[in-house]
Amino acid sequence: DAGVIQSPRHEVTEMGQEVTLRCKPISGHNSLFWYRQTMMRGLELLIYFNNNVPIDDSGMPEDRFSAKMPNASFSTLKIQPSEPRDSAVYFCASSQSTGIDIQYFGAGTRLSVL
Amino acid sequence: AQSVTQLDSQVPVFEEAPVELRCNYSSSVSVYLFWYVQYPNQGLQLLLKYLSGSTLVESINGFEAEFNKSQTSFHLRKPSVHISDTAEYFCAVTPSYNTDKLIFGTGTRLQVFP
Repeated sequence: DAGVIQSPRHEVTEMGQEVTLRCKPISGHNSLFWYRQTMMRGLELLIYFNNNVPIDDSGMPEDRFSAKMPNASFSTLKIQPSEPRDSAVYFCASSQSTGIDIQYFGAGTRLSVL
Repeated sequence: AQSVTQLDSQVPVFEEAPVELRCNYSSSVSVYLFWYVQYPNQGLQLLLKYLSGSTLVESINGFEAEFNKSQTSFHLRKPSVHISDTAEYFCAVTPSYNTDKLIFGTGTRLQVFP
């Protein structure tokens, strides 16, 4: 199995631009998680899906952030408009179920907003 | 609500020395506990987990952690570290009644010197 695949690995953009991060979970996994990692705040859960349905988006910072999972093999995290404080590493993870099952993480997308 | 505290942000050690990475959690209900490891430029990987049974759990690469309910701790130990153990280590918790999501600590960076 190829594991969780995230793209792009690196993204550099200017403030105000729209940014879309992509994730392909492991086939057969029905839970998908989006995390943000920064030096100041550590690893934060932004949103998670179960069977393509958003379950908890309480970690999404503000309305500029949105996430979708149109099918079991693809999810996007969009930031519009982006701001410098959004600079972070964004991870996607998937699991066969929630919580108790092992979460498999992608390699992350390093976002820099100038 | 649950929370995790990793008091040490960085732990420098020499190769072949023992190491302990501390993790304390807060919860009014029973929990499951996890240690994840993040090698440079990679996503997180599960190292070991405690769900029930023996309070001492081991990983395949020589790490072990002991669940101590009275002290609400889940410290990670290794009797002799290798250069390749250099990484960031995250402790995580989820309540056993609702395992939808993991709550991560802020991480401890283990730096092993030759």
